[in-house]
Amino acid sequence: GQSLEQPSEVTAVEGAIVQINCTYQTSGFYGLSWYQQHDGGAPTFLSYNGLDGLEETGRFSSFLSRSDSYGYLLLQELQMKDSASYFCAVRADDYKLSFGAGTTVTVRA
Amino acid sequence: GAVVSQHPSWVICKSGTSVKIECRSLDFQATTMFWYRQFPKQSLMLMATSNEGSKATYEQGVEKDKFLINHASLTLSTLTVTSAHPEDSSFYICSAPRIREGAREQYFGPGTRLTVT
Repeated sequence: GQSLEQPSEVTAVEGAIVQINCTYQTSGFYGLSWYQQHDGGAPTFLSYNGLDGLEETGRFSSFLSRSDSYGYLLLQELQMKDSASYFCAVRADDYKLSFGAGTTVTVRA
Repeated sequence: GAVVSQHPSWVICKSGTSVKIECRSLDFQATTMFWYRQFPKQSLMLMATSNEGSKATYEQGVEKDKFLINHASLTLSTLTVTSAHPEDSSFYICSAPRIREGAREQYFGPGTRLTVT
């Protein structure tokens, strides 16, 4: 089975940097994905790490350490529109995703 | 633009009736699709894997006779909630994997909000 842990909520001000950690225990592992979900919407893909290291996509970066079963999502230059839920998800070899409980990020002016 | 669509986007039905939700991959073929359920303020829970041309694979605890899945073609999977009850009210989301620019990515549909009265 899969088990993922991430903080339940984070609050920060506009322009700040937020790091969302994710630790996992899995029976199979091919990579760690991150998704953003706004209230009432579907998840949208943010980032994927299949190998150790940092992946950067604009203001968002994601990191993976397979040996530590740990990853994080870094949100830089926070904007109000970044207020959403963020999910880490472990991918098995057949594309199945197991999601963490989600982190609610609230950005204040 | 959207690469996975779902229909309907929302539906209200009476207890005991059945509801069908469609999931389509728009410009690619998906031999596999996934169905998730999400309750308010909770995470996405995988319900089943829809396989084109064969039976769906259900996750533990998901009743296959209640949640009927049919993967009729390479671009369409349907989820039918049979004899719906209020506790089935939830946000149902499908996804399809696609290889794009060398990366494997899961594309999610916009979701279907089901309310059973």
